[in-house]
Amino acid sequence: DAMVIQNPRYQVTQFGKPVTLSCSQTLNHNVMYWYQQKSSQAPKLLFHYYDKDFNNEADTPDNFQSRRPNTSFCFLDIRSPGLGDAAMYLCATSRVGAGSNQPQHFGDGTRLSIL
Amino acid sequence: AQTVTQSQPEMSVQEAETVTLSCTYDTSESDYYLFWYKQPPSRQMILVIRQEAYKQQNATENRFSVNFQKAAKSFSLKISDSQLGDAAMYFCAYRSGLSNAGNMLTFGGGTRLMVKP
Repeated sequence: DAMVIQNPRYQVTQFGKPVTLSCSQTLNHNVMYWYQQKSSQAPKLLFHYYDKDFNNEADTPDNFQSRRPNTSFCFLDIRSPGLGDAAMYLCATSRVGAGSNQPQHFGDGTRLSIL
Repeated sequence: AQTVTQSQPEMSVQEAETVTLSCTYDTSESDYYLFWYKQPPSRQMILVIRQEAYKQQNATENRFSVNFQKAAKSFSLKISDSQLGDAAMYFCAYRSGLSNAGNMLTFGGGTRLMVKP
């Protein structure tokens, strides 16, 4: 089945130690999104890639970076995680273009804990 | 900027009964899409139902239906014959119809639905 896959499901890192979360998709969607979701809150968009074009939300901290080496993969890098970065990180994809009306498809998420 | 408001942080319903979750939004656009997403505990967020603003007919997906009131900017979700598996966080979301908007979603704050056996 075509899907959005996030690895790992659970990630534990130490305060200040860089961490990378990964997302892959078999949907061949041209847009990939990264969200941060804290407990009982709505997902908050961090940034998205429209094809190869990176689009950062204005209030996304510099601590958060992203890479998209190809259509299928997208990575979220947190350079120096702080305690406030503990959250669920959701990856989503969508097809955007003429005549396209695709909703966003979400992965299972990666729950990040900071020690 | 668009905003989405879910005024009910928590709702509960008896199994087999019907429940309605509220959502209002604010926009100056005429072309847009509205969605309800379901997020069970520790599980994937999945699309429940969607509505195109240009369609007058309310969307229906099995036990899930919406009451879309465009003039009032209201988009409520009705769940009929509630099942234990319906227990989850439900998020209402707005998406602009502009082609250069990147299919970006604006989420409401969510409603936690509890289903009592």
